[in-house]
Amino acid sequence: ILNVEQSPQSLHVQEGDSTNFTCSFPSSNFYALHWYRWETAKSPEALFVMTLNGDEKKKGRISATLNTKEGYSYLYIKGSQPEDSATYLCASLGRGTALIFGKGTTLSVSS
Amino acid sequence: EPEVTQTPSHQVTQMGQEVILRCVPISNHLYFYWYRQILGQKVEFLVSFYNNEISEKSEIFDDQFSVERPDGSNFTLKIRSTKLEDSAMYFCASSERMLGETQYFGPGTRLLVL
Repeated sequence: ILNVEQSPQSLHVQEGDSTNFTCSFPSSNFYALHWYRWETAKSPEALFVMTLNGDEKKKGRISATLNTKEGYSYLYIKGSQPEDSATYLCASLGRGTALIFGKGTTLSVSS
Repeated sequence: EPEVTQTPSHQVTQMGQEVILRCVPISNHLYFYWYRQILGQKVEFLVSFYNNEISEKSEIFDDQFSVERPDGSNFTLKIRSTKLEDSAMYFCASSERMLGETQYFGPGTRLLVL
């Protein structure tokens, strides 16, 4: 059974700060790593899907890296803005169809 | 931009009653999924569905649960006899293809079983 862990559980930063959080996952039987951004009362928004060791993806001020050999992914937000406040979920996909989620990191950005 | 929609947004039911949660996946997607999140816990996979049959299901998805694609647009999750522990947020998702593809999530249905 896959166990995906995220840290920290929550984070509070000031506007303009850069921040990063971690997702760790079992490296065996790995196929893909997904990142989502989830605001309360909205649909979780897909950010990235990464499959290859060393993958780096970027979307505006948000970027992510993947290390499949050691089983971790980092999500970075450069120059945080209040609208970045959300819960960031990572999920690992093995050889099946089921995404296995971490508990998420809740980011709060104050102006 | 196409999106997954779910109805209702909230549902309150009595223990033992049947509930049907409805989803409209993105129109050209072929794979459909249900997940749930019990308050304070991780989002958990329930079932995936392709070509009118279940592709994979978790241990949670027991005989009380069923899924159906009754027409070309809807995808439903039925819970036959609800229990208190079925109270959760239920998410529908869809993807164009299977492995490695983004799963697009709906906003969820908050189910409360009393």
